[in-house]
Amino acid sequence: AQSVAQPEDQVNVAEGNPLTVKCTYSVSGNPYLFWYVQYPNRGLQFLLKYITGDNLVKGSYGFEAEFNKSQTSFHLKKPSALVSDSALYFCAVRTLGGSARQLTFGSGTQLTVLP
Amino acid sequence: SAVISQKPSRDICQRGTSLTIQCQVDSQVTMMFWYRQQPGQSLTLIATANQGSEATYESGFVIDKFPISRPNLTFSTLTVSNMSPEDSSIYLCSVELVGTDGRTQYFGPGTRLLVL
Repeated sequence: AQSVAQPEDQVNVAEGNPLTVKCTYSVSGNPYLFWYVQYPNRGLQFLLKYITGDNLVKGSYGFEAEFNKSQTSFHLKKPSALVSDSALYFCAVRTLGGSARQLTFGSGTQLTVLP
Repeated sequence: SAVISQKPSRDICQRGTSLTIQCQVDSQVTMMFWYRQQPGQSLTLIATANQGSEATYESGFVIDKFPISRPNLTFSTLTVSNMSPEDSSIYLCSVELVGTDGRTQYFGPGTRLLVL
């Protein structure tokens, strides 16, 4: 069975500082990894994904994520946080050959960027 | 990406009643899904809405409680039947798009349901 862990329920960071939202995964086979963001009273918005290739993936709104196979991690990062980045972030995983039904979400991390 | 809309955006309902949620996509898609997000929780897949055939339900979800229609490749409905307060959740539809960089799910804005 595949799983995703987001070890931090809450992350607080000062505006202008770098931010990291952690994600580790467990899957049989090659992973297909995603980050989504949910702003208050909104649906999930796709940020970025990793399939193969370069371990550093760049996405929307200046976010990037680094795939680390040996540590089975896919942490979300941004060099300089904005107050508007405050939202709920979800990591998700499935196998490359898996069906869309097999997309597994983490529990979510609430990011708060303090002015 | 795709433009996905849901109606209603939110509703407050009495227990024992039913609510039908609509999901409209701006392009034809093969794969369409319904998720539930209970308060403070992550997303749980309810079912895959199949065009021209019955939906495929995940463990713990049944057709009598969550009937789904998929009359064409751009539209689907989810009905929450005989509601109880435990059904208070955000219900999200999603679609899977296939591009040169693989398959990605995109989500609608969600329907916020409160059952009293």
